[in-house]
Amino acid sequence: GAVVSQHPSRVICKSGTSVKIECRSLDFQATTMFWYRQFPKKSLMLMATSNEGSKATYEQGVEKDKFLINHASLTLSTLTVTSAHPEDSSFYICSARDIARATGELFFGEGSRLTVL
Amino acid sequence: SQQGEEDPQALSIQEGENATMNCSYKTSINNLQWYRQNSGRGLVHLILIRSNEREKHSGRLRVTLDTSKKSSSLLITASRAADTASYFCATALNQAGTALIFGKGTTLSVSS
Repeated sequence: GAVVSQHPSRVICKSGTSVKIECRSLDFQATTMFWYRQFPKKSLMLMATSNEGSKATYEQGVEKDKFLINHASLTLSTLTVTSAHPEDSSFYICSARDIARATGELFFGEGSRLTVL
Repeated sequence: SQQGEEDPQALSIQEGENATMNCSYKTSINNLQWYRQNSGRGLVHLILIRSNEREKHSGRLRVTLDTSKKSSSLLITASRAADTASYFCATALNQAGTALIFGKGTTLSVSS
């Protein structure tokens, strides 16, 4: 159990276009999901906390108008990279915590590799 | 923001040897977790140790936590080639629902 599905796994887009990445908890409910960004051979940097039914909480330095997050249901959060530029190319990973579990671990999607040309 | 620092950054060993990775963090925590990441993939949870615990085992994994030194170690015994991956420690400031803050990771290579 506790599977998180992330789609698409890879996306290539032209500069100036917008890209949407979906994160779904398949067999559990998640009031909170987290979006991370990872550069090659680097650690995960928390971008924002996605809250079901309310606005996302962004980390310092992350542009909320650039990275739009929507958490419309207990099983789906989306990250939209708007007007993408080459410097937005990165590996984006979502994660979620199962509200039914008392443990604190996060369950991660497989990540989405974005390449902006 | 970055919380933890792992060392070493990279570790190369032979199959059968033990691998030890260390993690230091800066703030008070509720728990500390270790994750594994295969190249280009998502993260897999390995083990969680709470702030009131000092040592925990899971299969070939042994984790220690020293809250006075704000440090943790992950020991993988009798390593296998399949253990080749990056390993990250992550800290939770509380259990309620805050995000995990990850360290920089240790890249482990196990050769057969």
